[in-house]
Amino acid sequence: DAKTTQPPSMDCAEGRAANLPCNHSTISGNEYVYWYRQIHSQGPQYIIHGLKNNETNEMASLIITEDRKSSTLILPHATLRDTAVYYCIGRGGGTSYGKLTFGQGTILTVHP
Amino acid sequence: ETGVTQTPRHLVMGMTNKKSLKCEQHLGHNAMYWYKQSAKKPLELMFVYNFKEQTENNSVPSRFSPECPNSSHLFLHLHTLQPEDSALYLCASSHIDRGANEKLFFGSGTQLSVL
Repeated sequence: DAKTTQPPSMDCAEGRAANLPCNHSTISGNEYVYWYRQIHSQGPQYIIHGLKNNETNEMASLIITEDRKSSTLILPHATLRDTAVYYCIGRGGGTSYGKLTFGQGTILTVHP
Repeated sequence: ETGVTQTPRHLVMGMTNKKSLKCEQHLGHNAMYWYKQSAKKPLELMFVYNFKEQTENNSVPSRFSPECPNSSHLFLHLHTLQPEDSALYLCASSHIDRGANEKLFFGSGTQLSVL
């Protein structure tokens, strides 16, 4: 798995965009970047994943740099319910499955 | 609601007890997982079942015994646990295909306390 580095914590004002960075400089060509989040005392929730291209879904956008060494998760209009720990994970495709290696993640606090 | 249901939500047990955690997924997935989350530590993978066959045992002590009778149900049997086994135990499921296989759906977990 690719080693990922995230800031330990970030703050964001409600209604603003939250931009969460992740560094994955050792990611290999077939490894996807996954983002999950975990709200206190709940199981992690899948947000989005990507390989090379930028991705968008109903929850967030994922911007991956051209050299794939870093990415940014964007929550376009953060709400108080987005307060959670956000995990960036690099994981290979192909025959691998489910073996996610969670780090410490970024604690995002959205304040009024 | 993620489609993965875990029971019980909370469990307190003594070190000599035997208990079981249950997980059920209603998503038609073909792989199921047990993860452990101790206080202040990252999630750790314990077991992986693919098409009901155990394909991963991440050096878990034998006092934890998984069972997967079908692709929708997963159990974790517990016996003679230690206080340091107190943690949040999370079940997850996913659909295995040739693409990105790490889109997991997690249950809400069982908060276990061993006295």
